[in-house]
Amino acid sequence: QSALTQPPSASGSPGQSVTISCTGTSSDVGGYNYVSWYQQHPGKAPKLMIYEVTKRPSGVPDRFSGSKSGNTASLTVSGLQAEDEADYYCSSYAGSNNLLFGGGTKLTVL
Amino acid sequence: EVQLVESGGALVQPGGSLRLSCVASGFTFSSYWMTWVRQAPGKGLEWVANIKQDGSQRYYVDSVKGRFTISRDNAQNSLYLQMNSLRVEDTAVFYCARGRGSAVAGLSNFDYWGQGTLVTVSS
Repeated sequence: QSALTQPPSASGSPGQSVTISCTGTSSDVGGYNYVSWYQQHPGKAPKLMIYEVTKRPSGVPDRFSGSKSGNTASLTVSGLQAEDEADYYCSSYAGSNNLLFGGGTKLTVL
Repeated sequence: EVQLVESGGALVQPGGSLRLSCVASGFTFSSYWMTWVRQAPGKGLEWVANIKQDGSQRYYVDSVKGRFTISRDNAQNSLYLQMNSLRVEDTAVFYCARGRGSAVAGLSNFDYWGQGTLVTVSS
């Protein structure tokens, strides 16, 4: 199975909103509501930001939101802040006890 | 405070073996699915393997089946990854992570991650 498809880069100015997409197939993103998003700063471990498509773990700002339409999931970061600059990875359960990650998107805050 | 601390990463020659460890604290280790995820230098994340709370179910990504073995010792709050027949393409930082729930074999999402341990496979 191939990795999920994410744009390699995204950017926005402070205060703006940016949306990162994650495209899969009906066998993964489209077939299950088990899409997650992770934030990773350079040299650090990934941090869970969104799980089960739209849910936010405790402590994650509500500026982060998730959605899904068909085979594409999206992460929206509203009110961009400098500390949001990081790599973002989506993941999706892909059936048969398999998990796929996206290739990652580097978010730049201009 | 939940903590996951990996160790065991090293430089190893192709065809060699290595055993990674992950010691957990701050939560009831035996109640959670646990997972290994790796990240090649400058690349994205890749799920490697996961194991059920009691060790009775284990799953692997195709590229490591037959070469890697995930295991756990709940008495020692420890997770392991035995890696044999290592290849250059196995070079990566390996993270252990906690499955947030038990749905879909603990693969729905990972709420805590260790800092990672670097495995370099090179001659």
